[in-house]
Amino acid sequence: DAGVIQSPRHEVTEMGQEVTLRCKPISGHNSLFWYRQTMMRGLELLIYFNNNVPIDDSGMPEDRFSAKMPNASFSTLKIQPSEPRDSAVYFCASSFLGRGTYEQYFGPGTRLTVT
Amino acid sequence: GESVGLHLPTLSVQEGDNSIINCAYSNSASDYFIWYKQESGKGPQFIIDIRSNMDKRQGQRVTVLLNKTVKHLSLQIAATQPGDSAVYFCAENLGDYKLSFGAGTTVTVRA
Repeated sequence: DAGVIQSPRHEVTEMGQEVTLRCKPISGHNSLFWYRQTMMRGLELLIYFNNNVPIDDSGMPEDRFSAKMPNASFSTLKIQPSEPRDSAVYFCASSFLGRGTYEQYFGPGTRLTVT
Repeated sequence: GESVGLHLPTLSVQEGDNSIINCAYSNSASDYFIWYKQESGKGPQFIIDIRSNMDKRQGQRVTVLLNKTVKHLSLQIAATQPGDSAVYFCAENLGDYKLSFGAGTTVTVRA
């Protein structure tokens, strides 16, 4: 099992540019979560999908952030336009909800630096 | 608001000794708790979980204890090894499959 795959692993961009982060969940999982991790705020849930449908996006900071899940094997998190305060590590996690466990499997993360 | 928090941000332990990492939670309705380990440059990795109808659960070299009376969770690591050096997070289920993570405790193992 390849686990959750994220790309790119590192992204450096200039303020105002569009950034797209990608995630491939574990095959067979029905839920996908996007998190942001910073020293100041820790690990924050941004949005999660169940069966490709966004269930809760209350953690999305503002309209500059958007996420999509066009199919069960792919999701994107887009920031447009990016700002320096968006610099963080972004994690994608997947899970199979409904088995009585809430265990989420995390990807390696994308380290985003906005200059 | 209600949140999960950790008592100590850092823990230094001698190799071979047992480690205890503590976590306090305030949401009395939480029915599920989970511990994650995060090594430098990697994503969080599942260690062990426990439901609120249990007081104790054991895994390989790890034990999680849940005290619902004082809303306290702990992770015990037996015979701590250098590979155990990492940041440890507790998380609670907020309902609707959402996990709320604590701030994390950095564990450093001394050789």
